[in-house]
Amino acid sequence: EVQLLESGGGLVQPGGSLRLSCAASGFAFSSYAMTWVRQAPGKGLEWVSSISGSGESRYYADSVKGRFTISRERSKNTLYMNSLRAEDTAVYYCARGISGIYYFDYWGQGIQVTVSS
Amino acid sequence: DIQMTQSPASLSASVGDRVTITCRTSQGISNYFAWYQQRPGEVPKLLIYGASTLQSGVPSRFSGRGSGTDFTLTITSLQPEDVATYYCQKYNSAPFTFGPGTKVDIK
Repeated sequence: EVQLLESGGGLVQPGGSLRLSCAASGFAFSSYAMTWVRQAPGKGLEWVSSISGSGESRYYADSVKGRFTISRERSKNTLYMNSLRAEDTAVYYCARGISGIYYFDYWGQGIQVTVSS
Repeated sequence: DIQMTQSPASLSASVGDRVTITCRTSQGISNYFAWYQQRPGEVPKLLIYGASTLQSGVPSRFSGRGSGTDFTLTITSLQPEDVATYYCQKYNSAPFTFGPGTKVDIK
């Protein structure tokens, strides 16, 4: 059974940093791209960042470019978030995509990130 | 970047009605297009990929059509469990943008 479990969320002050992790199980991790999607309170889905199965290709939304970094190792996908802003407040979902094809067939339950003083 | 529009923003229909949601992209993306359903309080769920391929386990009342810049999601007979927000997504190249969503409820 495919499982994606996010961790690392919480409350952080503006300008602070946070690291989100997504533990994957039930599938051949290196064969799949991994992605982070976020959803601000009462808003729609926003694609944040993706990494290919090999880790060689990484993609970022303009809204987070230069502040967020995505990485992967073994069965874990990580999103490093720096210089956080109030507008980064959202539920962050980890999602799986077929390697090289970025639609998302499995999603984690999501984790809350709140940026506030 | 390619812009995405989705219409309507919301709709209310009766059980058994046929419902159609439309997404349009500002440039052609072939069939690199997906649809998702997000029920209230739940995680998004993949419905359709490749513009028209039904994801395993999704009821056959859902269907997708389109290629290029215009795409539609149709629910042939709306059911109470279909109350949700529906999102389209392009995945031909980054950014892998989602549409703004269509909220569907029962009249």
